[in-house]
Amino acid sequence: SQTIHQWPATLVQPVGSPLSLECTVEGTSNPNLYWYRQAAGRGLQLLFYSVGIGQISSEVPQNLSASRPQDRQFILSSKKLLLSDSGFYLCAWARGAGGYGYTFGSGTRLTVV
Amino acid sequence: KQEVTQIPAALSVPEGENLVLNCSFTDSAIYNLQWFRQDPGKGLTSLLLIQSSQREQTSGRLNASLDKSSGRSTLYIAASQPGDSATYLCGAQGGSEKLVFGKGTKLTVNP
Repeated sequence: SQTIHQWPATLVQPVGSPLSLECTVEGTSNPNLYWYRQAAGRGLQLLFYSVGIGQISSEVPQNLSASRPQDRQFILSSKKLLLSDSGFYLCAWARGAGGYGYTFGSGTRLTVV
Repeated sequence: KQEVTQIPAALSVPEGENLVLNCSFTDSAIYNLQWFRQDPGKGLTSLLLIQSSQREQTSGRLNASLDKSSGRSTLYIAASQPGDSATYLCGAQGGSEKLVFGKGTKLTVNP
C-alpha cells in the first residue's frame, strides 16, 4: 500500500532563517507531488506541483521554492523566512493522468517568530 | 480558472440529525471531485472520490453526489454523531491535474 510521510510535524523558526520541509511517498512510482499551504482563516492554497524528477511548477510567486531530487521525494525550501510564511503545510500525492484522487500527509505546522 | 465554494461555512446540529453539505464549482470540465475531512491540526483524510463519469459514491453513513452540468456536489451524512465533528473540504480536479479546494464547512455535532 502507498504511504506518505511528512516531517517535521511542528517547527518554530525565526524570521530570516532558512527552511526545509521534506515529503516522501512509498509504495508507488512516478507520482504527481504537491505542496499546499493552509493559513489561518483561509483555504488550501496550492504552492508547487511536480509531475516528475526535476519538474517543478509554481502556482504563487513567493518566498518559497520546491525541489524533487528523487522520484518519491519532494522538498519545500526557503532561504529567508518571513512572518507571512507561517501556516500549515501539506504535502500530497496522486497518480499521474488524473482521476485517481489525492492522498495527503499529516502536515507541518510552521510558526515564524 | 476553477473556483470552488462551500456552503455553509459552519453548521451546528444535534446528534442523530441527517445533514447535507454543499459544494459548487465553476468549471464543469473536471476529472473528479473529492471530499475530505480535516480534524483540528491534522492533515486531510479522504472520504469519497467521485469520478466525472459517476453520479454518486457511498461509504457507510456518507453519500456524495455529483452533478457536473450544474457544477454541484453534495455530501450527505446520515444519523450524525459527535465524532463527525470536523471541517469538511471538497476539491475539484480538472485537466491540469490540480486539485482546487473550497474553504470548507466546519461541522459541530452536539451530543
